[in-house]
Amino acid sequence: DTAVSQTPKYLVTQMGNDKSIKCEQNLGHDTMYWYKQDSKKFLKIMFSYNNKELIINETVPNRFSPKSPDKAHLNLHINSLELGDSAVYFCASSQDTTDTQYFGPGTRLTVL
Amino acid sequence: QKEVEQDPGPLSVPEGAIVSLNCTYSNSAFQYFMWYRQYSRKGPELLMYTYSSGNKEDGRFTAQVDKSSKYISLFIRDSQPSDSATYLCAMTPIGTGANNLFFGTGTRLTVIP
Repeated sequence: DTAVSQTPKYLVTQMGNDKSIKCEQNLGHDTMYWYKQDSKKFLKIMFSYNNKELIINETVPNRFSPKSPDKAHLNLHINSLELGDSAVYFCASSQDTTDTQYFGPGTRLTVL
Repeated sequence: QKEVEQDPGPLSVPEGAIVSLNCTYSNSAFQYFMWYRQYSRKGPELLMYTYSSGNKEDGRFTAQVDKSSKYISLFIRDSQPSDSATYLCAMTPIGTGANNLFFGTGTRLTVIP
């Protein structure tokens, strides 16, 4: 009965590859987010979608492209992976843009 | 300089101790303040949420906000080994509610039995 789930949990890949991370929430929330947490535990927002529309797009390389096929899903596609992309990526959701955010378990991405 | 500064620790205390965790910030537009707890290999979970200056208590946890000093604190009374985690402060500017969160780097706490 996981509220916010992400797949895969771990992802190890070579530089230059393209990979996707999937996120699903079963809370009926309208807003979803992607965060990046670096090796020093600094958590920074990347994107936010409300009702499938992009509302926050922080300064993120355009190699990162979020896609929201429906309100319950927000996927993150990363092209031409670089060493600096290694981090833990968290998906989160909230009822609306002002409500509490619930985080998924994270996807640990390692780029070799 | 990051907008939110937090001592990363690590912080080790004996069981039963009072723990004080702190964050400072530079953006006076921040109006909503939160504390998240993150266990190892898990996502952050919201502990406390406060809007105004002053204290807010929830069980063993007290959140304190001093907007004039741009300083927030989380106190944990009677700390337990199960409190061992990383604690992240977060805040958001006026008018955006809890959407666009700015996080501190987190303080790793270990409570020793």
